[in-house]
Parts: sequence; structure tokens; C-alpha cells
Amino acid sequence: GAVVSQHPSWVICKSGTSVKIECRSLDFQATTMFWYRQFPKQSLMLMATSNEGSKATYEQGVEKDKFLINHASLTLSTLTVTSAHPEDSSFYICSARAGRSIYEQYFGPGTRLTVT
Amino acid sequence: AQKVTQAQTEISVVEKEDVTLDCVYETRDTTYYLFWYKQPPSGELVFLIRRNSFDEQNEISGRYSWNFQKSTSSFNFTITASQVVDSAVYFCALDDYKLSFGAGTTVTVRA
Repeated sequence: GAVVSQHPSWVICKSGTSVKIECRSLDFQATTMFWYRQFPKQSLMLMATSNEGSKATYEQGVEKDKFLINHASLTLSTLTVTSAHPEDSSFYICSARAGRSIYEQYFGPGTRLTVT
Repeated sequence: AQKVTQAQTEISVVEKEDVTLDCVYETRDTTYYLFWYKQPPSGELVFLIRRNSFDEQNEISGRYSWNFQKSTSSFNFTITASQVVDSAVYFCALDDYKLSFGAGTTVTVRA
């Protein structure tokens, strides 16, 4: 159990366009979802935390107008990279936390974004 | 201040050697969780272990073992008799409600 999927697994887009990444909890309800970004050979950095039905909380330095997060249901959160630029190219990983335990966090397989 | 420090950036060993990855953490909370994750070249994080702050028992799982010492705020990870398939980046992480990752240690096991 506790499977989290991401779609797409990789995407290439042109500079200036927007890209949407989906994160789904397949067999549990995720009251909280997290979005991380990982640049090559670096660690995972938390971008934002989203709770179902409320606005996401962004970490310092993350532009909320650029990285739009929507957590419309207990099984789906989306990250939209608006007006993407090459510096947004990265590996984006989501995770989901089930309501029953605040310390259980399940990770998706990641989405590799390349902006040309 | 960095919450999780993994002092070793890269470790290279020959197959069958033991590998120990160090992890030192910092938190003011009394309740927290510590994790180790493996990230192979595919990128997907593989959960290895979770340990809560009240459980200082060491744990062994096959060739993997973990040594948690609250007194020194360390949670070290040892791979015994390493294999080529162990080659990956290993992350230590601290969850005191928000998950903070260490910088990671790249382990390369040569045949």
C-alpha cells in the first residue's frame, strides 16, 4: 500500500510555456502533500506544503506565482510551473502524508523537467 | 543552520567491503523521526528505515544496519559486504514535522 504516482515522469517544454505535474496518492487519502525540487547532484529541497482544500505554504525563496500548487482533493495535488525557463529544469518530487500519522510520508517517483 | 549533516560526499569501495555513512542531525524537538533513503540513478527514492527519537535500539536488516546515538545526535548507516547494486546516493533525513534532507553521500561499489 501507500503508493504515490506522478505524471508525467519526464517532460520537455519550451521556454515561456507552462507545465503541469500531477501527484496522486493511489491507495490512501493524503491530507498533506509536499513538493520537492532536486537539482543535479544536489539534495532534495522542500518547495511547498499543501493541505487539501487550502492554500499551499511556500518555503522561503520559492516564488508562489511561478510554482502554482493546487491540492483540490485528498488524492491529487498539482504543481504548475508557469512561464518556465531553463533554470527551472530540475527533478520534481512529490510526497504525500496520510492523516493517520504525521510522520509517514510516501514519495512519488519524480518528474524530470527540461526547459529548452 | 543545517539540520542534517552528511560529512561524506562520496565513498568508493570495492565489492564486499563494508561501508559506513555518517549522519549528524540537529533539532530542538524531543519528538522526531530519522530516515535513510536510497536514490539509485533512476531517481526514485527508496525508503530504507525510519527511527523515532524514543527508540535508540540499533537495527539490522540483511546487509544493512543502523546505529542511532541520541547523545551524539548521530544516525549512522552501515552496508556490510557491499555489492555493485548498492551504488546510489544515500540521504539521511530528519522529520520534526518538516522533512529536512542531508546533502547525500554518493556510494560507488566497484566490482
